[in-house]
Amino acid sequence: DAGVTQSPTHLIKTRGQQVTLRCSPISGHKSVSWYQQVLGQGPQFIFQYYEKEERGRGNFPDRFSARQFPNYSSELNVNALLLGDSALYLCASSPELASSYNEQFFGPGTRLTVL
Amino acid sequence: GEDVEQSLFLSVREGDSSVINCTYTDSSSTYLYWYKQEPGAGLQLLTYIFSNMDMKQDQRLTVLLNKKDKHLSLRIADTQTGDSAIYFCAESMSGTYKYIFGTGTRLKVLA
Repeated sequence: DAGVTQSPTHLIKTRGQQVTLRCSPISGHKSVSWYQQVLGQGPQFIFQYYEKEERGRGNFPDRFSARQFPNYSSELNVNALLLGDSALYLCASSPELASSYNEQFFGPGTRLTVL
Repeated sequence: GEDVEQSLFLSVREGDSSVINCTYTDSSSTYLYWYKQEPGAGLQLLTYIFSNMDMKQDQRLTVLLNKKDKHLSLRIADTQTGDSAIYFCAESMSGTYKYIFGTGTRLKVLA
């Protein structure tokens, strides 16, 4: 069975540009969350989407946006890139919005470098 | 507040036990997790513990939870070179998939 997939694996952009990252959840999973992992730190929660609606948002500026499609895949968009946006962006999927046991399955991530 | 802290580095000899520690501040956390991250890879769930448990054992892994001190530990028995990685603890509350991760502990296993 395929796990969570993300594309692209690596990306290099320059300051001020815009980027779109993609995530396909595990088949049957309806919830997708996005995390930013800066080098040397733990992942930081950005968004959670469920049934195409935003259900949670971390402490990130409005330059960060996301959406979820009818097939439950998701895109993360970052506008006006800053050097500090360089990070590994992780996508995680889970079966439902919330349950008694909150396991998320993480993808391999997209490594974004902003020059 | 939301804050999860871990020591940055741990070095052990192959065959010894490793103990990785974590402290958290949110007493309303429902689940606590341990994840492993190898270089260039995503996060692999190792084990989790529900907040009303004190201990959980899963093969070579033992998780201990001290709710009073908000302290979580992961013990890896018979540590192998393949266990070398970064280990993250994380907490979440029932009803949300927002995980709060620690800073990670880099485990180095010496042959």
